[in-house]
Formats: sequence, structure tokens, C-alpha cells
Amino acid sequence: RKEVEQDPGPFNVPEGATVAFNCTYSNSASQSFFWYRQDCRKEPKLLMSVYSSGNEDGRFTAQLNRASQYISLLIRDSKLSDSATYLCVAPGSGNTPLVFGKGTRLSVIA
Amino acid sequence: DAGVIQSPRHEVTEMGQEVTLRCKPISGHDYLFWYRQTMMRGLELLIYFNNNVPIDDSGMPEDRFSAKMPNASFSTLKIQPSEPRDSAVYFCASSLLAFYEQYFGPGTRLTVT
Repeated sequence: RKEVEQDPGPFNVPEGATVAFNCTYSNSASQSFFWYRQDCRKEPKLLMSVYSSGNEDGRFTAQLNRASQYISLLIRDSKLSDSATYLCVAPGSGNTPLVFGKGTRLSVIA
Repeated sequence: DAGVIQSPRHEVTEMGQEVTLRCKPISGHDYLFWYRQTMMRGLELLIYFNNNVPIDDSGMPEDRFSAKMPNASFSTLKIQPSEPRDSAVYFCASSLLAFYEQYFGPGTRLTVT
């Protein structure tokens, strides 16, 4: 099983839609989880951390399910500017602190 | 406050040439990471340093790749000799602690012809 797995998409959604991404991780001892956003030809940027109790930041909600070893990202009221690739991040095994998923591509269409 | 700085932003070189990528982490960050990103393989960790000491270089593809961190504010990733399959975007990132969020530089887009 890969350390971090994401559906690559693309997810094509209309403006105003709600979209959810899931990501599974293999290291059951994982403590730190993040979602990053990467725009085309740019560097990954931190979108939000994921806390055990779940957390919300405006239109974005992140959830952690330890039993099933997945994290999710929910985007409500999608905007054109949300179009990007969303990378899931979880701790790796061995000496690897964090492992990045390959990303899920989102296109929000007018 | 300056973020992670990388240079050059773009590098085009011929196969067999030496390539040196440079990185300045965020001041006060003890961890520095080098990643390579391609469409096929995503973001791969090549090597990381803690307080200027290499901790894990198991992601370095082969002996052609080497990395150094002579002080807390500077690191280099060198490829010698370069090959076309090294073409990718190379990112440097830094963080306060190992499992904290990482901050990325703008990347170096390397093309080896």
C-alpha cells in the first residue's frame, strides 16, 4: 500500500458546487496531516492543517478518520479561483517526516 | 519576511553537464528538504537536513546526485553528470520541526537536453 494515496481526478465542478476529496494513509501512528494547494507551475502552499477533531476555515473543512486511516477536504461554494491541485500530506515511515500525495486536480467551471 | 529562496528559477543544460541548484531556507527553520516533482511520480523527497546534517538521503536517485548544507542559510543540490531523465522541477522546503508544515521555495525548472 502506498504511504499516501489520492484520487488524481480531475474533478470538474460548476461554480457554487460542493466538492470533497479523500486521501488514505498507511502509517497508523501518524499525527500530523495537512492539505496543500498547488497552482499550475507554482510551488505547493499550505492550505490547512488537519486536526483530530476536524477543523474549518471559511469554505474549507478538513476531517480526519483514524479508524479508516483517511483524511478529507470539503470545499463549499466552489469559486473559479479554487481551481488547482490539492495535495494530501501525512507522516511517512522510517526516517521520512512527511509524504505528499500525488494530488487531486480540481477545475471549477463557470 | 522572506520565504524560501531558490536559484536559478530555470535551467536548461545539455546532457553530461554539471547542474547546481541553490536554496536559502527560512531563517530559524532547522529542517531543509529537497524534492523533485514530475507528472509521473509526483513530489518525491530526495534528501533532508536537520541543523545542517543530512538525515535521510535514501531518495537520492543515484550517485550522480549530491547535496550539501554548509551552514544554516544555504544548501546546494548538484547533479553531475546530468541526464535527460533528470528533467523535472526541483523544490526546496524548510520547516521548524520535522512534522511541522513545510514551506516551499518557487522551485527550479530543470531541462536537460
